[in-house]
Amino acid sequence: AQTVTQSQPEMSVQEAETVTLSCTYDTSESDYYLFWYKQPPSRQMILVIRQEAYKQQNATENRFSVNFQKAAKSFSLKISDSQLGDAAMYFCASSGTYKYIFGTGTRLKVLA
Amino acid sequence: GAGVSQSPRYKVAKRGQDVALRCDPISGHVSLFWYQQALGQGPEFLTYFQNEAQLDKSGLPSDRFFAERPEGSVSTLKIQRTQQEDSAVYLCASSLVGGAVGGELFFGEGSRLTVL
Repeated sequence: AQTVTQSQPEMSVQEAETVTLSCTYDTSESDYYLFWYKQPPSRQMILVIRQEAYKQQNATENRFSVNFQKAAKSFSLKISDSQLGDAAMYFCASSGTYKYIFGTGTRLKVLA
Repeated sequence: GAGVSQSPRYKVAKRGQDVALRCDPISGHVSLFWYQQALGQGPEFLTYFQNEAQLDKSGLPSDRFFAERPEGSVSTLKIQRTQQEDSAVYLCASSLVGGAVGGELFFGEGSRLTVL
């Protein structure tokens, strides 16, 4: 069965600092994708970053980057130069054949 | 449309009532997913449509839940004889590509169902 585990229910970071959110996953798929989605308060979920499992190079999107450790089934998100607008729930997700499986989320607080 | 639209945004139902939740995906998107999100939790998969075909309904919690997408665009999630445990936000997401092969999901704002 596909599982995604986020062990940090809540994290805090000072504005302009760096924070890392953790995620581990398990899948039987030979080819799969991993994602981080952001859900701001009372707003819809949006894609932050995506990683193709067969690519060894870690994905980056501006201030967001991932550390993908395939053998360890680990997929962490690093947010650099944190901004107040980064405050949200962050969900890690993995792809299956006809479904995406999400973790339970990490609430990120950004302190001014 | 510009984004995924869901209606109603809020629905209060008495236990035992039937409800219908509508999702209007982005035009041209092949894939449509329904998720259930309980308060403070992550989205839980309910069902998947590729065009009008329902290819995965393994997440539907009981036979009281039914979903359709008859013309491959708008989808409706119907819950019969609602129970208090059905209270949640129901999220719809669409994707340009078929299957769950890595395409970006575009989410609606959700329909918040409260069953009294």
